[in-house]
Amino acid sequence: EVQLVESGGGLVKPGGSLRLCCAASGFTFSTYSMNWGRQAPGKGLEWVSSISGSSSYIYYADSVKGRFTVSRDNAKNSLCLQMNSLRAEDTAVYYCARGAAGGMAVHDYWGQGTLVTVSS
Amino acid sequence: EIVMTQSPATLSVSPGERATLSCRASQSVSINLAWYQQKPGQAPRLLIYGASTRATGIPARFSGSGSGTEFTLTISGLQSEDFAVYYCQQYHNWPPITFGQGTRLEIK
Repeated sequence: EVQLVESGGGLVKPGGSLRLCCAASGFTFSTYSMNWGRQAPGKGLEWVSSISGSSSYIYYADSVKGRFTVSRDNAKNSLCLQMNSLRAEDTAVYYCARGAAGGMAVHDYWGQGTLVTVSS
Repeated sequence: EIVMTQSPATLSVSPGERATLSCRASQSVSINLAWYQQKPGQAPRLLIYGASTRATGIPARFSGSGSGTEFTLTISGLQSEDFAVYYCQQYHNWPPITFGQGTRLEIK
């Protein structure tokens, strides 16, 4: 069974940093791309970042480019998102999602999410 | 950036009836279109990809159609567990991956 469990969310002040991680199990992690998405309170879904299985290809939304860094450790079946220079508008539930075998941008399994609140 | 527009924002349908949800892309996305279902307090779930292919474990009452800029998600014989928010997503020209704003399907 595919399982994705996010951790690392919490309350942080504007300008601060936070590191989210996602523990994956139930599939061969290294052979799948992974994605981060987010959902602000009461709002819709927003894509944040994607990373290929070998980390050769990495993409970011313009809204986070230069502030967020995605990484993965295939030996530990772990995906992480380092978030710096956080802003109030980054407040959201952050999800990790697996990229489907046929196309990394299709999110076929999602974690339950971790809440990030940016507030003074 | 490809903008995805869903309509209506809210759809009221009675259990047992059919619901038709629409998604329009600002430019052609071919069939690179997915649909997701999200229930309150839960993560999204993939329903459809490639515009019309059901994901693993998705019941046959969910069907997707369309290509280019116009897409439809049809749910036949609505069941209580189908009332949720539905999002379309394009993955034809990315980054960025873009989602529609969602359609809330509520019980009439």
